[in-house]
Amino acid sequence: AQTVTQSQPEMSVQEAETVTLSCTYDTSENNYYLFWYKQPPSRQMILVIRQEAYKQQNATENRFSVNFQKAAKSFSLKISDSQLGDTAMYFCAFMGDTNAGKSTFGDGTTLTVKP
Amino acid sequence: ETGVTQTPRHLVMGMTNKKSLKCEQHLGHNAMYWYKQSAKKPLELMFVYNFKEQTENNSVPSRFSPECPNSSHLFLHLHTLQPEDSALYLCASSQVAHTAGEQFFGPGTRLTVL
Repeated sequence: AQTVTQSQPEMSVQEAETVTLSCTYDTSENNYYLFWYKQPPSRQMILVIRQEAYKQQNATENRFSVNFQKAAKSFSLKISDSQLGDTAMYFCAFMGDTNAGKSTFGDGTTLTVKP
Repeated sequence: ETGVTQTPRHLVMGMTNKKSLKCEQHLGHNAMYWYKQSAKKPLELMFVYNFKEQTENNSVPSRFSPECPNSSHLFLHLHTLQPEDSALYLCASSQVAHTAGEQFFGPGTRLTVL
């Protein structure tokens, strides 16, 4: 069974600064997909960024980028130039190729961006 | 309406009541999901439907009964619930289940069982 661990229940960052959220996972699968989802307060969860395990290049989406270390089974999210609207709970999720469609989520990290 | 919608947004029910949660997706997707989000636990996948067929039941108690009449609609019928079932119930959809596509989530139904 897959497990996803987010070791930081809460984090805070000053506006315009950079913050990194950590995520580690455990799997025996060789091919899989990793996701970061964002759930703002009282709003819908949306996908922030996605990484395919077979791709060595780290995914980036504007101010959001990942540091994917396959050997270490680590998938951290870096948010640059943090904005107040980045305040949300962030979930790391794993989806294996052999069990695709069934995502395993971490416990989440609550990020607060301070003005 | 766009995206994934859920009704009602809030629901309070007694343990003997019967109620239903509704989810509708306007994205043309073929897979739909029910998740439970509690304060103390990570997001838990409950059910997966692919082309109206249930493909995953994650050991969910029978007091939760899903129904998927077509690819756009998903229901969760509730009966004889327990207080520990109080949680945020999220619906999601994706292009096709069992492929590694992005899931689109609804706003959730906040359920309180008295």
